[in-house]
Amino acid sequence: QQQVKQSPQSLIVQKGGISIINCAYENTAFDYFPWYQQFPGKGPALLIAIRPDVSEKKEGRFTISFNKSAKQFSLHIMDSQPGDSATYFCAAHQGMNRDDKIIFGKGTRLHILP
Amino acid sequence: GAVVSQHPSRVICKSGTSVKIECRSLDFQATTMFWYRQFPKQSLMLMATSNEGSKATYEQGVEKDKFLINHASLTLSTLTVTSAHPEDSSFYICSASPMTGRNKKLFFGSGTQLSVL
Repeated sequence: QQQVKQSPQSLIVQKGGISIINCAYENTAFDYFPWYQQFPGKGPALLIAIRPDVSEKKEGRFTISFNKSAKQFSLHIMDSQPGDSATYFCAAHQGMNRDDKIIFGKGTRLHILP
Repeated sequence: GAVVSQHPSRVICKSGTSVKIECRSLDFQATTMFWYRQFPKQSLMLMATSNEGSKATYEQGVEKDKFLINHASLTLSTLTVTSAHPEDSSFYICSASPMTGRNKKLFFGSGTQLSVL
């Protein structure tokens, strides 16, 4: 059972364009939704995160939009740059303990054309 | 942000040998660390949760005798792939979180690419 569904699987965007990646979740007990960026041969790095009591969070060119009623959230990358080319994972988290698991989406391979 | 160091970054070994991967939290204490496996172009698959001072918790389908986890201190967890075979070749990643509460941030090591010949 896939608890976090991510789309698209791959995405090609022109430099300067907006990249949009979508995720949907099923478990309403999730209370923390991070996005991770991973470059080839490296571990993922936390990019931005949101809690369900907020509808939008912006950090620089990166914005998370959150729709609690629809159980969906998305990552928007404004003014996309070639250096943004990477794999992006959405995730969902439940619980307040350090050993609570994070559920990852399957990832989106983003390629920004120069 | 917090730093998680993972070594080695790449290892090549012969079939039947054992390989140890280290994961260290450099600037925080981690009572819990997570070990993941990632195949090319796929998502992270949680293998086990490493708990300091106690036995690791393995996910369904992961052989605990094959993937030995030791979490002997608050800053170090190790994953040993015993009697490695070519099918164990993969990218292994560890992670840990330095905080509790609602805004948990998970920090990842840089990963270890294991190639078994």
